[in-house]
Amino acid sequence: GQNIDQPTEMTATEGAIVQINCTYQTSGFNGLFWYQQHAGEAPTFLSYNVLDGLEEKGRFSSFLSRSKGYSYLLLKELQMKDSASYLCAVRPYTPDSNYQLIWGAGTKLIIKP
Amino acid sequence: NAGVTQTPKFQVLKTGQSMTLQCAQDMNHEYMSWYRQDPGMGLRLIHYSVGAGITDQGEVPNGYNVSRSTTEDFPLRLLSAAPSQTSVYFCASSYGRANTGELFFGEGSRLTVL
Repeated sequence: GQNIDQPTEMTATEGAIVQINCTYQTSGFNGLFWYQQHAGEAPTFLSYNVLDGLEEKGRFSSFLSRSKGYSYLLLKELQMKDSASYLCAVRPYTPDSNYQLIWGAGTKLIIKP
Repeated sequence: NAGVTQTPKFQVLKTGQSMTLQCAQDMNHEYMSWYRQDPGMGLRLIHYSVGAGITDQGEVPNGYNVSRSTTEDFPLRLLSAAPSQTSVYFCASSYGRANTGELFFGEGSRLTVL
């Protein structure tokens, strides 16, 4: 089967750093995505990794290890507005699943002052 | 630039009623899709389309129909609503025919079936 695991909830302090992990088991691999979703709102795209390594984009970085089936999203200098759910999604690589992402249930991040 | 527009934002139905969720995008995206989001679960794909006149089933298509007569519009029809269809529905689109992953989502439609 295909599966994505991420922690249900995490708490961090304003100004600190937090790492949100995502592990996956899929039939092939053709990219991993992170989305941010504020409560009651739509998901918005954060990052995309298809090769091993770290992708940095401002305060947010995303890391991928394909051999370990593992990714993390690193958020630095946390702000109150970073309180949201963070969704990990993987695109398997098979001829008939080119259009479908497999989504994790999301990690709810709570930022405390 | 409106992006992806969904209507209605909220809807309450009785079991057995039918309704259509509307989705329109003004970005000339070829790929469009419908997801449902339930507590404790990941987004689940209902139906998708890679261009006008082409639709296909996703992971949870039962009880839903779609059509794609134009590039801009991708309505989702609930044929006979059931309480199990209580959920938040998102329409999403992407550049090109393949799902490149950077999906643009509508604001969501919260549906309650009594």
